[in-house]
Amino acid sequence: QKEVEQDPGPLSVPEGAIVSLNCTYSNSAFQYFMWYRQYSRKGPELLMYTYSSGNKEDGRFTAQVDKSSKYISLFIRDSQPSDSATYLCAGNSWGKFQFGAGTQVVVTP
Amino acid sequence: NAGVTQTPKFQVLKTGQSMTLQCAQDMNHEYMSWYRQDPGMGLRLIHYSVGAGITDQGEVPNGYNVSRSTTEDFPLRLLSAAPSQTSVYFCASRRDRGHTEAFFGQGTRLTVV
Repeated sequence: QKEVEQDPGPLSVPEGAIVSLNCTYSNSAFQYFMWYRQYSRKGPELLMYTYSSGNKEDGRFTAQVDKSSKYISLFIRDSQPSDSATYLCAGNSWGKFQFGAGTQVVVTP
Repeated sequence: NAGVTQTPKFQVLKTGQSMTLQCAQDMNHEYMSWYRQDPGMGLRLIHYSVGAGITDQGEVPNGYNVSRSTTEDFPLRLLSAAPSQTSVYFCASRRDRGHTEAFFGQGTRLTVV
């Protein structure tokens, strides 16, 4: 069983819609939870990270962590075509990252 | 500021050949790592280094060697390439092991025939 599970998509939404992305994890030792964005044929780049449970907002992006249910979420408001990418969730346990397989998001104009 | 630079971008190898994937960073980061990315599998850690002269194995180290003689460089060696090593390889660095933001290179697309 993978430590971080993520639906691969693709998830197709119209421009302006809310994108909702989810991951589940099994490793209780994760201290930080991260979302990386990866454009096609590029390396991933950090979008947001949260420590422990709770919400974190950064512009149009909101990350949520529920440690009791081992659930990680990312919401993108007012989605733009430039948000089309693969989104990877990850957990960080004592410096070791464990990534999900990524969800491909397509925002259509 | 170049960040993390990987070379080559593309490579085709024959089974049994060896090669070295190069990775260099100019951010004076202590921690460097190599991942492979396969469809449906996500990023899997091959080897990592917490500083010059110190390396350790990740999740999928078999068939790969690394060394870290300088802070800047972290090459990945394929000893005897196999078709199962066909993948996209990413080098990443971060300030130290405790840091959350990793900077990734552009990737090397490797095909072993």
